[in-house]
Amino acid sequence: DARVTQTPRHKVTEMGQEVTMRCQPILGHNTVFWYRQTMMQGLELLAYFRNRAPLDDSGMPKDRFSAEMPDATLATLKIQPSEPRDSAVYFCASGPPHGTEAFFGQGTRLTVV
Amino acid sequence: DAKTTQPPSMDCAEGRAANLPCNHSTISGNEYVYWYRQIHSQGPQYIIHGLKNNETNEMASLIITEDRKSSTLILPHATLRDTAVYYCIVRISNFGNEKLTFGTGTRLTIIP
Repeated sequence: DARVTQTPRHKVTEMGQEVTMRCQPILGHNTVFWYRQTMMQGLELLAYFRNRAPLDDSGMPKDRFSAEMPDATLATLKIQPSEPRDSAVYFCASGPPHGTEAFFGQGTRLTVV
Repeated sequence: DAKTTQPPSMDCAEGRAANLPCNHSTISGNEYVYWYRQIHSQGPQYIIHGLKNNETNEMASLIITEDRKSSTLILPHATLRDTAVYYCIVRISNFGNEKLTFGTGTRLTIIP
């Protein structure tokens, strides 16, 4: 059963620390999305990659967030330095080159104290 | 992508059909209607999509009005596991590798 895998599932960190979230997309999918979900803002698109190249990262705060795809099986989202307002659930999703649906991971719940 | 309007919340009795409305009055002729749902603490899950014809799959049915300005997602026999937030999304692409823009959705509660 193919699925998007995100690690860690939960992360508590102190303000100012670096946070790295990882995502393994479904094999064969060529697009990876990063979303953030908060009670106030709902689900927001932060960035997405196609064939490992960044396509759109306009939703991402550039000064502290960075997203990369070192290879086709791994996408990372880093926050440095982290702030309490970054507390949210971060979802990764992957999409196939053919086919009509994107598949979401279970999310990483980040708490910055 | 066109915007959508959904009621913030709805209740439905278990075993009955749940009908979730969505208004998309500014939809363009080449835009698709997509539905996703998010069960508590999980990632969003694709349900169904359509362009102008009614669609049915193993999860739900999608009814799109003739003028395409609104649609209804129907869960024929709602169960407690259908309690979730349902998102109606209008987008140009029908490919899974194009971005989705989520609104606030409808929180559906299935009552035992």
